[in-house]
Amino acid sequence: DQQVKQNSPSLSVQEGRISILNCDYTNSMFDYFLWYKKYPAEGPTFLISISSIKDKNEDGRFTVFLNKSAKHLSLHIVPSQPGDSAVYFCAARTQGGSEKLVFGKGTKLTVNP
Amino acid sequence: DVKVTQSSRYLVKRTGEKVFLECVQDMDHENMFWYRQDPGLGLRLIYFSYDVKMKEKGDIPEGYSVSREKKERFSLILESASTNQTSMYLCASSLKGYFRFNEQFFGPGTRLTVL
Repeated sequence: DQQVKQNSPSLSVQEGRISILNCDYTNSMFDYFLWYKKYPAEGPTFLISISSIKDKNEDGRFTVFLNKSAKHLSLHIVPSQPGDSAVYFCAARTQGGSEKLVFGKGTKLTVNP
Repeated sequence: DVKVTQSSRYLVKRTGEKVFLECVQDMDHENMFWYRQDPGLGLRLIYFSYDVKMKEKGDIPEGYSVSREKKERFSLILESASTNQTSMYLCASSLKGYFRFNEQFFGPGTRLTVL
């Protein structure tokens, strides 16, 4: 049962344009969401997070939006830069019962110069 | 900066061998984690530890064990390596908080191949 879904395995955008990475979840007990970025041959690095009590969180060029009714979150990167080319993982944490962190399968973003 | 280091970047072992993967963090974090990453499957939690000598099973603990004798070091042990354990292994650490699964800092990973 895949509770966190990143339905697009890859995404390609032009430098300077907006990148939108999407994540859907099924478990209504998720209360906190994180995005990680991973370059080849490196471990993931934390990018940005959002609590379920918010619908938006912004950090520089990165903004995460949460739509709880749709069980959907998205990461916006504006403007996109070639250095943003990486695999992006969405992760969601449960708060009830046994605490868990569930990762999506990742979306590979390519930003073309 | 938090630094999480893993003993090997690449490792090749034979089926049946006992394999040790070592992870060290230098930021005095209480929580440490071991994940494996496989194509098309994302990151899956094997084990985590929230204190010295404490451990809890993650989602896929079968075939693995762990050891945490010191706060900064968390070892993953494959008692008898099998080919289906060929994978990228990622260690992570995080600060103690009300929740265990907050922002985690990852090491560079160990790509293990079992022949």
